[in-house]
Amino acid sequence: DGGITQSPKYLFRKEGQNVTLSCEQNLNHDAMYWYRQDPGQGLRLIYYSQIVNDFQKGDIAEGYSVSREKKESFPLTVTSAQKNPTAFYLCASIPSAVYANTGELFFGEGSRLTVL
Amino acid sequence: EDQVTQSPEALRLQEGESSSLNCSYTVSGLRGLFWYRQDPGKGPEFLFTLYSAGEEKEKERLKATLTKKESFLHITAPKPEDSATYLCAVPRSNDYKLSFGAGTTVTVRA
Repeated sequence: DGGITQSPKYLFRKEGQNVTLSCEQNLNHDAMYWYRQDPGQGLRLIYYSQIVNDFQKGDIAEGYSVSREKKESFPLTVTSAQKNPTAFYLCASIPSAVYANTGELFFGEGSRLTVL
Repeated sequence: EDQVTQSPEALRLQEGESSSLNCSYTVSGLRGLFWYRQDPGKGPEFLFTLYSAGEEKEKERLKATLTKKESFLHITAPKPEDSATYLCAVPRSNDYKLSFGAGTTVTVRA
């Protein structure tokens, strides 16, 4: 079955450590997104990529980094510069950015990061 | 600034007790309004897209409607399996990125 796989599902990090969240899709989608979800707030866009080897900052990119070396993979690194990284992280994809008006984003099951 | 506001934050229903969720938005030139369902600890799942005022979409016990300033998600005779957080989103005025509301968490008791 096609879909988006995020790993790990739960991750604990000590302050000062970098961690990388994995996002893999086998939907053959060009566009991929990383969102952060906090209680009582809407999803906020961290980074997005419309095509391989290209990505852009979203609304809250500070303290995060990404790469898009393969179409199916869009890993997110949460660096020590991110001051409040405890959150639920969601990866999403869509066939291409021009489909954004359909709203039909496909989401992974999320990764919950907790800073100890 | 584009904003999406959902109300209420939480809704507790008895099985069979119909109700509505609200999503109000401030965005110029609406290019669609989207509803998602999110189960606890999972990613959102797409439900509906609405494009113009007066449009309605239905799926099982859910019906979404759209006016010029807001959308409603009506839940008719809900069952416990309808318990979830319902999110709405709109494309922003100046680009195609989405603005999400904070969601309404619905709990349906048997």
